[in-house]
Amino acid sequence: QVQLVQSGAEVNNPGASVKVSCRTSGYTFTDYYIHWVRRAPGQGLQWMGWINPKSGGTQLLRNFQGRVTMTRDTSLVTVNLHLNRLISDDTAIYYCARDPHYWGQGTLVTVSS
Amino acid sequence: DIQMTQSPSSVSASVGDRVTITCRASQGISNSLGWYQEKPGTPPKLLVYAASRLKSGVPSRFSGSGSGTIFTLTITSLQPEDSAIYYCQQWYSTSWTFGQGTKVEIQ
Repeated sequence: QVQLVQSGAEVNNPGASVKVSCRTSGYTFTDYYIHWVRRAPGQGLQWMGWINPKSGGTQLLRNFQGRVTMTRDTSLVTVNLHLNRLISDDTAIYYCARDPHYWGQGTLVTVSS
Repeated sequence: DIQMTQSPSSVSASVGDRVTITCRASQGISNSLGWYQEKPGTPPKLLVYAASRLKSGVPSRFSGSGSGTIFTLTITSLQPEDSAIYYCQQWYSTSWTFGQGTKVEIQ
């Protein structure tokens, strides 16, 4: 069955970088884009962008351009979200999703000094 | 970018009541819309996809309708376990967009 399993919770200082991983299984990795969505405290769901696991191409929400990159490792069937120059407003749960039907369990990223 | 406007932002209703949530798209999105239920500590749960298709296992008191720019999620006979935040989402364009969310509380 399709599964997306994310890496564990992170605590980081402002200005640092963080990587959140999403390991996939149960389907052909290169057949589906992977999207990233975040849920900050007191905010709604926010789509961040997607990565095409076949080509590595990405599309990012304008707000995140320059600070977010998405990569993939086809040998590990894993996609990664890299968030740089962290600020307190980046404190959120980050989700990967293959499509509306299949989501990862979420990764809490806390930015605090 | 396609904007999704969801209303109301919150609703308080009694067990057994009918609750309707509306989502409006800034441009036509055909039926490329889903509805999610979010509860603390768990990922959003897809309830309805393609605007009106109920996902397997979701109680039949949930239903979705609409096409184009106006969509609704209806909960007939509200239950205590339906207390949650509900979101609409479009995937008509390559970028997803979510509505602002509707908090449903049980009186």
